[in-house]
Amino acid sequence: GAGVSQTPSNKVTEKGKYVELRCDPISGHTALYWYRQSLGQGPEFLIYFQGTGAADDSGLPNDRFFAVRPEGSVSTLKIQRTERGDSAVYLCASSFLGSGANVLTFGAGSRLTVL
Amino acid sequence: RKEVEQDPGPFNVPEGATVAFNCTYSNSASQSFFWYRQDCRKEPKLLMSVYSSGNEDGRFTAQLNRASQYISLLIRDSKLSDSATYLCAVTRHPNTGNQFYFGTGTSLTVIP
Repeated sequence: GAGVSQTPSNKVTEKGKYVELRCDPISGHTALYWYRQSLGQGPEFLIYFQGTGAADDSGLPNDRFFAVRPEGSVSTLKIQRTERGDSAVYLCASSFLGSGANVLTFGAGSRLTVL
Repeated sequence: RKEVEQDPGPFNVPEGATVAFNCTYSNSASQSFFWYRQDCRKEPKLLMSVYSSGNEDGRFTAQLNRASQYISLLIRDSKLSDSATYLCAVTRHPNTGNQFYFGTGTSLTVIP
């Protein structure tokens, strides 16, 4: 697509529920990143994929968080047993690894509210 | 120590003023540097990359100081539309998909 698409744009859930957030990157972009942004903070790195594999998942806060990218395009961030502290905007970004600087393009984000 | 640090501000400046932000990074292996702009409740958008020799884009000038490990952004002749949060970002390895580290952002409000 023309840009990075994220769904849902807003998600309200109850504590303890399971949530999936989807990211559709720019067509042809091989790298895909997930970030979490809380109010007044910068984007906090969670995980990035190079193709289908997670090249670095060191930012995932705990084992309740998991992400997949089975075909090297769309990615899903999965959060189990949600907690109120998980409330944030989850940003996805993609980049094309080629010559020149590796520039990130962000989606509009998925705003998660855990009640 | 955080990978990237910024003064969160807020910076409140009158229209037409010149304002500068700095951003320090902790890892000397950092290779690529960027400034992003983020409007309220929107996603970050690339403002400009920062090159070793410094670079300019209209009213915006970015500079890199590797010895002191900081990057700067200078905005001349501030416009009301420049009001936003400015995020700096660094990566360690260009073109290898390594993670980008972001600062907390510096809030700028340009006052009429």
